[in-house]
Amino acid sequence: DARVTQTPRHKVTEMGQEVTMRCQPILGHNTVFWYRQTMMQGLELLAYFRNRAPLDDSGMPKDRFSAEMPDATLATLKIQPSEPRDSAVYFCASGLRDRETQYFGPGTRLLVL
Amino acid sequence: KQEVTQIPAALSVPEGENLVLNCSFTDSAIYNLQWFRQDPGKGLTSLLLIQSSQREQTSGRLNASLDKSSGRSTLYIAASQPGDSATYLCAVTAVGNQAGTALIFGKGTTLSVSS
Repeated sequence: DARVTQTPRHKVTEMGQEVTMRCQPILGHNTVFWYRQTMMQGLELLAYFRNRAPLDDSGMPKDRFSAEMPDATLATLKIQPSEPRDSAVYFCASGLRDRETQYFGPGTRLLVL
Repeated sequence: KQEVTQIPAALSVPEGENLVLNCSFTDSAIYNLQWFRQDPGKGLTSLLLIQSSQREQTSGRLNASLDKSSGRSTLYIAASQPGDSATYLCAVTAVGNQAGTALIFGKGTTLSVSS
């Protein structure tokens, strides 16, 4: 049963610390997305990759966030330095092709104190 | 800018009742619309995807309709069960969207089905 995996599942850190979240997309999927979910804003796109190339990261605060795909089996989202307002659930999703069903991972629950 | 709205925000029904969840979007230029289910503390599970050229999709007790011209979609759940309790999210892939393929989500409807 292929599924998207994310690590860590939970992260508590102090303001100013670096946070790295990892995602393993479903094998063979060529699109990967990072979304953030908060009570106030709901789900919002942070970054989007197609065939490992970043196509859109306009939803990301560039000064502190960065997203990469070092290889086809790993996507990373880094926050440096982290701030309390970054507390949220971060979801990774992958899709076989553009504009088709996206499959979501279980999320990383981040709390920045 | 595309916006997706879901009404109501919360809904409570007794087991066995048929129910309808509503989703509206401001720009009819979409590639498709998806309905997701999210259980507390969990990720999202895709329920149905309707392409812009389609009018509806069915899966088991679920039926989703799409009226692109009016910017509306409904998710019909037949014979609701306590296991249907979850938050249901509607999302569109908008033409001309910056990402071209990323989803724009509504805030969701939280459904509670009592036995």
